[in-house]
Amino acid sequence: ELQLVESGGGLVQPGGSLRLSCAASPFSLSSYWMYWLRQGPGEGLVWVSRINSDGTSTSYADSVKGRFTISRDNAKNTLYLQMNSLRAEDTAVYYCARGYHYMDDWGNGTTVTVSS
Amino acid sequence: EIVMTQSPATLSVSPGERATLSCRASQSVSSNLAWYQQKPGQAPRLLIYGASTRATGLPTRFSGSGSGTELTLTISSLQSEDFAVYYCQQYNNWPWTFGQGTKVEIK
Repeated sequence: ELQLVESGGGLVQPGGSLRLSCAASPFSLSSYWMYWLRQGPGEGLVWVSRINSDGTSTSYADSVKGRFTISRDNAKNTLYLQMNSLRAEDTAVYYCARGYHYMDDWGNGTTVTVSS
Repeated sequence: EIVMTQSPATLSVSPGERATLSCRASQSVSSNLAWYQQKPGQAPRLLIYGASTRATGLPTRFSGSGSGTELTLTISSLQSEDFAVYYCQQYNNWPWTFGQGTKVEIK
């Protein structure tokens, strides 16, 4: 069974940093574009960042540009999201997802709470 | 960016009844639209892509239709497991954008 498992979420103070990870099994991440999306409390889905299969092309939502960095280690079959200068409005459940145009498969999410 | 508007925000339906969910785009998305289902505490699940192609294993009571700016998800006979929030997502123009969701609740 295909699995995407996120980790690394938690409670952090405004201005702090977190690194999220998304481990894939049993498929190889290296063939796929990957996304990070988020869902604020009681809100809808918003894409945060995406990366192409070999990591040479990335995109970011304006709200996180310059603060978040997406990366991947295909050898470790893992996707990452480095989040710096966190703000209260970054509080959300963060999902990794596999796909290009649409998201075929999603992880169960990891919760990030930014609060003092 | 393309704005996706879903209606209604909440749909109250009795089990066994038909549910029709609407997704309107601020400009044409052709047939480049996906639908997702999300249950409380769970990740979204892909239901439909290409506006009308069911994902693997999806029951035939789910169907998608429409193109351009008016797209629809129909659930022909609601089962208990279908009560959830449904999102549409366009992938015609980057950045991909989601609707705000329609909650299907038990009447």
